[in-house]
Amino acid sequence: GENVEQHPSTLSVQEGDSAVIKCTYSDSASNYFPWYKQELGKGPQLIIDIRSNVGEKKDQRIAVTLNKTAKHFSLHITETQPEDSAVYFCAASHQGGDYKLSFGAGTTVTVRA
Amino acid sequence: KAGVTQTPRYLIKTRGQQVTLSCSPISGHRSVSWYQQTPGQGLQFLFEYFSETQRNKGNFPGRFSGRQFSNSRSEMNVSTLELGDSALYLCASGLDRRGTDTQYFGPGTRLTVL
Repeated sequence: GENVEQHPSTLSVQEGDSAVIKCTYSDSASNYFPWYKQELGKGPQLIIDIRSNVGEKKDQRIAVTLNKTAKHFSLHITETQPEDSAVYFCAASHQGGDYKLSFGAGTTVTVRA
Repeated sequence: KAGVTQTPRYLIKTRGQQVTLSCSPISGHRSVSWYQQTPGQGLQFLFEYFSETQRNKGNFPGRFSGRQFSNSRSEMNVSTLELGDSALYLCASGLDRRGTDTQYFGPGTRLTVL
């Protein structure tokens, strides 16, 4: 099955700096890659996603890049703010396939004021 | 539009008991998936239902089961609870149309087994 690895496991950044989280996947059939943000006591919230026919996608301060050849994708958060502090998860699935999301282990991001 | 709702939010059970968790998807969503989240194993897929049929199942023992009703609401059941079943159980719903695999999660049910 699909195996998703996520790095780093923890990330501390100064407010205003950028944060980058990287994920690799194993199954070349995976073609949908969402990112979720989970705050304490809440369920994961979708923040951005990308499909395999696109190399990059941006939404305000958040961007995701995908390298299908290398089987890795990354989340970039610019101009970080204290409210960006949370656990971030990457995931992969096969669109039109089994609908199962395979998740990375998560990255705890702390934004220092 | 209301999000995914899960009830109850918190549950405490003892070993050997059974438990039923409920999930109401976003209106119009027909796919419901369940995930288990633990500090040690992370987020793991349990099963997915679409139009009252289980379409996919993860690697969990038969003590874990689920069902979906005609209004797309779903329940999952865990029988003969073990200490290791303590976890946050998350439900996610999706539209399930071509090109739309997006899944939206509910707040979860925190199950503690004593």
